[in-house]
Amino acid sequence: DQQVKQNSPSLSVQEGRISILNCDYTNSMFDYFLWYKKYPAEGPTFLISISSIKDKNEDGRFTVFLNKSAKHLSLHIVPSQPGDSAVYFCAAMAGTYKYIFGTGTRLKVLA
Amino acid sequence: DTAVSQTPKYLVTQMGNDKSIKCEQNLGHDTMYWYKQDSKKFLKIMFSYNNKELIINETVPNRFSPKSPDKAHLNLHINSLELGDSAVYFCASSPPHGGIGANVLTFGAGSRLTVL
Repeated sequence: DQQVKQNSPSLSVQEGRISILNCDYTNSMFDYFLWYKKYPAEGPTFLISISSIKDKNEDGRFTVFLNKSAKHLSLHIVPSQPGDSAVYFCAAMAGTYKYIFGTGTRLKVLA
Repeated sequence: DTAVSQTPKYLVTQMGNDKSIKCEQNLGHDTMYWYKQDSKKFLKIMFSYNNKELIINETVPNRFSPKSPDKAHLNLHINSLELGDSAVYFCASSPPHGGIGANVLTFGAGSRLTVL
C-alpha cells in the first residue's frame, strides 16, 4: 500500500529548461514533505522541504509546490543543469520519526 | 569527515549466515534509523532509535536485530540470511524533535548486501 507515489520513473530534460517532478500522497494527515536527491552509490541527500501550512517553498533553483486538496506536490528545478541528473525521492512525515518515501524519479538533464 | 558512516559498503555472503552492518554519526543527533531499499527501489523504514531507545519497529522479521550502544551508533545484525534480504541498507540520523532542521534525515552512503 503505497502512501507516497511518484508515478514517473524517469524524466529527461534539456539543460537550461525546467524540470518538474511530481509526487502524490494518500494520507491527508501528512504534515511535512521533503525532497531528496540521490546519486549512484551514495545515500539520499536532503534538497528542500515544505510544511503543510505552506503552498510553496523556494531555495535557489529549487521550488516545491504543495496542493493539499489534490494531495500533490511537485519539485521544480529551473534552470536544469547536467549535475542535477540523479534520482529524486519525495518523502512525507507520517508521525514524529516516521518518513514514508516514494519510489523515486530518475532525472536526466541533457547537455 | 563523513557525517553518517556505514560499514561495510559491500557485503556478499551465503544464505544462512549471520552478518552485521555498523553505523556511526558524528552530527550529535538523537535519533537514528535503518532503511531498506529493495530491488523495486522502495526506501522503507525498518527501525528507529531515539537516545538508544527503540521507537519504531516496522514489521521486520525478528532475524533482524538493531542495537544502539550509544546515541551515535546504531548497528544492524541479521541472522540466518535469506535471498530476500539482498538489498541496500541505509542508516540515517535526525536532530532532536523541534530543533533546527529537526525533520531532515541525513543518510549514510548505504551498505549493499548480496545473499547468494
